[in-house]
Amino acid sequence: ETGVTQTPRHLVMGMTNKKSLKCEQHLGHNAMYWYKQSAKKPLELMFVYSLEERVENNSVPSRFSPECPNSSHLFLHLHTLQPEDSALYLCASSQDGASYTGELFFGEGSRLTVL
Amino acid sequence: GNSVTQMEGPVTLSEEAFLTINCTYTATGYPSLFWYVQYPGEGLQLLLKATKADDKGSNKGFEATYRKETTSFHLEKGSVQVSDSAVYFCALRDSSYKLIFGSGTRLLVRP
Repeated sequence: ETGVTQTPRHLVMGMTNKKSLKCEQHLGHNAMYWYKQSAKKPLELMFVYSLEERVENNSVPSRFSPECPNSSHLFLHLHTLQPEDSALYLCASSQDGASYTGELFFGEGSRLTVL
Repeated sequence: GNSVTQMEGPVTLSEEAFLTINCTYTATGYPSLFWYVQYPGEGLQLLLKATKADDKGSNKGFEATYRKETTSFHLEKGSVQVSDSAVYFCALRDSSYKLIFGSGTRLLVRP
């Protein structure tokens, strides 16, 4: 059983659709992350929330909109995506102190295909 | 800036062979170092970690030693199994929110 749960696992959407990815962490952590994993490209950090406040927005296009309603839940709202946005989207969480030395715990990912 | 460099893959080995996957890093401070593994169709799982120089992380027969003098964190396993076939990522975290990954090394173990 994973401590970080992502739904849906697979999503196919058209360029004009609006959909959302959901992430829930059951670990009591205080930070949550969205990463993008594309074929043949390094893992890209998209967003970071710490104590429900966004602390990192890594030059991500506005067609991706994150939401963190509480410390256990993280959403990624998707609208008017492009085919190049097709990728595996990974959610992660961590328990961060002042020194940020701990590991991130990842979910299984949501595989997104944009037609 | 901080970065992680891993050896290019794929690495193809026969079962029971010795595995080394090289990882070097660049960091301004004293980062924590990690190895993550990704099995086909799955997310990333933490394999092992080390938080200070000369620490050795180990798990499931895999080991890596934090070498500050060579800025390296090479992954080793004495005898690989077919079930070890996966993509392995070296990563660092240097007093920041960011976990910085290498490009990943695909390992294929043949029976």
